[in-house]
Amino acid sequence: DVKVTQSSRYLVKRTGEKVFLECVQDMDHENMFWYRQDPGLGLRLIYFSYDVKMKEKGDIPEGYSVSREKKERFSLILESASTNQTSMYLCASSSRSSLKDEQYFGPGTRLTVT
Amino acid sequence: DAKTTQPNSMESNEEEPVHLPCNHSTISGTDYIHWYRQLPSQGPEYVIHGLTSNVNNRMASLAIAEDRKSSTLILHRATLRDAAVYYCILRNFGNEKLTFGTGTRLTIIP
Repeated sequence: DVKVTQSSRYLVKRTGEKVFLECVQDMDHENMFWYRQDPGLGLRLIYFSYDVKMKEKGDIPEGYSVSREKKERFSLILESASTNQTSMYLCASSSRSSLKDEQYFGPGTRLTVT
Repeated sequence: DAKTTQPNSMESNEEEPVHLPCNHSTISGTDYIHWYRQLPSQGPEYVIHGLTSNVNNRMASLAIAEDRKSSTLILHRATLRDAAVYYCILRNFGNEKLTFGTGTRLTIIP
């Protein structure tokens, strides 16, 4: 059974803290993605990676960075958390060689910045 | 990316078919039509995708208009577990990214 796991379901951090959100997939997928989801705005892509050590900016990269040192792991970093980064964060992965062409999502991390 | 338009919400009775519409009048020839759904408190999950021909799988059917400017996701017999937000997304061939809109919130009435 395919699986994308995220390190926490819920996280509370203070303004200015450095925050790490971890995502691990066990499907040997090349592509990995970080989205945030806010009411009324749907899912928006923050960053994605199509290979180890490769990354590309999505639609809303400001205030975030990412790290992909191993194929199975993709980390989202908030260098200095702010209250407007309170959101649901979703990680996904996909295979470039799959005919089905689908993204598999993790359960999400609800981050609250106070 | 070409844009899609979906109704904000729909309701359907349990055990009846559901037709979820999507308009994509600016679709290009290399755009695939993807559908995902998001159950409460979960990440989105893939439902189905197609290019020109109608498609069926165990979850749903996808009917694509001949001019490709609209499509319809068909759930043949809705259950309470099908209550979710359904997203219609256009994805260009070779583009790994998905651009989600706000989707259609489907409510199933017992």
